[in-house]
Amino acid sequence: DGGITQSPKYLFRKEGQNVTLSCEQNLNHDAMYWYRQDPGQGLRLIYYSQIVNDFQKGDIAEGYSVSREKKESFPLTVTSAQKNPTAFYLCASSQRPGAKNIQYFGAGTRLSVL
Amino acid sequence: AQTVTQSQPEMSVQEAETVTLSCTYDTSESDYYLFWYKQPPSRQMILVIRQEAYKQQNATENRFSVNFQKAAKSFSLKISDSQLGDAAMYFCAYRPPGYGQNFVFGPGTRLSVLP
Repeated sequence: DGGITQSPKYLFRKEGQNVTLSCEQNLNHDAMYWYRQDPGQGLRLIYYSQIVNDFQKGDIAEGYSVSREKKESFPLTVTSAQKNPTAFYLCASSQRPGAKNIQYFGAGTRLSVL
Repeated sequence: AQTVTQSQPEMSVQEAETVTLSCTYDTSESDYYLFWYKQPPSRQMILVIRQEAYKQQNATENRFSVNFQKAAKSFSLKISDSQLGDAAMYFCAYRPPGYGQNFVFGPGTRLSVLP
């Protein structure tokens, strides 16, 4: 079954701790994305990657970091510099970075601060 | 900067009835893509329908159709014969043309379906 797998489903962070959210896709897609979703707001882009070993900041990249060492994987680290990390995080991918290409989403990770 | 507005934070519809969700956007581009995504309680985002701006014909997918008014920059979603499973958050999204462009999402409309 092809798709996007995000793990864990729920994650808790202590003050001053870095945590990493996993995103894996087996769709052979080139482009991958990380979004943050807060109540009453649409999705906001954190980081995106159009190709392996390359990524760009989105609209709200501060306090986050990513890597793209493999085509299938695009992990997101929420660092201690992110002061308000509680949110729902969605990973997406598309076959190509072009505008006509549909983005497919994972099931998300809910991050909370202890 | 492009923006997407959904002026109805919440809507409700009776089962089997028709409902229309509104979306307007701001752009200076002539060629772009518009999408409606559905997010049910499971939080999984699912593509409902896609419209290419250079196509005048409104997109349809079974019970879902759009009313695309390019001059007015309006992209409404009509759901016919509403079903309980249609209850969800609906997000309108805009995507500019060109390589590497990313989505701009609206704030969403929460749709309730009443039995």
